[in-house]
Amino acid sequence: EIVMTQSPPTLSVSPGERASLSCRASQSVRFNLAWYQQKPGQAPRLLIYDASSRAAGIPDRFSGSGSGTEFTLTISSLQSEDLAVYYCHQYNKGPPWTFGQGTKVEIK
Amino acid sequence: EVHLVESGGGVVRPGGSLRLSCAASGFTFDASGMSWVRQAPGKGLEWVSRINWNGGITQYADSVKGRFTISRDNAKNSLYLHMNSLTAEDTAFYFCASEDGDLPGLYYFNYWGQGTLVTVSS
Repeated sequence: EIVMTQSPPTLSVSPGERASLSCRASQSVRFNLAWYQQKPGQAPRLLIYDASSRAAGIPDRFSGSGSGTEFTLTISSLQSEDLAVYYCHQYNKGPPWTFGQGTKVEIK
Repeated sequence: EVHLVESGGGVVRPGGSLRLSCAASGFTFDASGMSWVRQAPGKGLEWVSRINWNGGITQYADSVKGRFTISRDNAKNSLYLHMNSLTAEDTAFYFCASEDGDLPGLYYFNYWGQGTLVTVSS
């Protein structure tokens, strides 16, 4: 099983500032990495797939980068509506297809 | 617009059974693989099971293998999860999710339902 590790567990960022979230895989997942946003009380929503491709309707302040075992989700200018937990997900090898434990983004 | 609507959750005693349903609309359901993903209250996401477009391939997490069965009815645009021998560790929100991807076997979850809560308690 591929273990996905996200850091930090919680990130506190001021509005307008940049937020960088990290995801590390226990073995290479190539570019087969997605990011999801889950707002309180809501279902997850796809943000990024194939490590760096934005899903339809996702604002361009969200970007993904990385390959192999190291990935980053960047929110270039944090907005208040970006308060959420963000999960990475590897779909390179499974079952099981695995998620990170999440990074909670708080508004400072 | 894509809609995935889960139903069938509720409170069940340990050892009991439950069947979850997911009604799909707004996309070509019979061409899409589907998965169930669960989330214990306050916890992270855990993939549970997936089924390919025609039901010919089903896969399960070790934690549910032999107890859960995934199935689909393409004529009804519906996905199901039959859950047996439930334990407290199965208490979670259960989301159905549609799959997308350019290459076989490499699928991310492009749409998610709102989830249905399963509580296993005596």
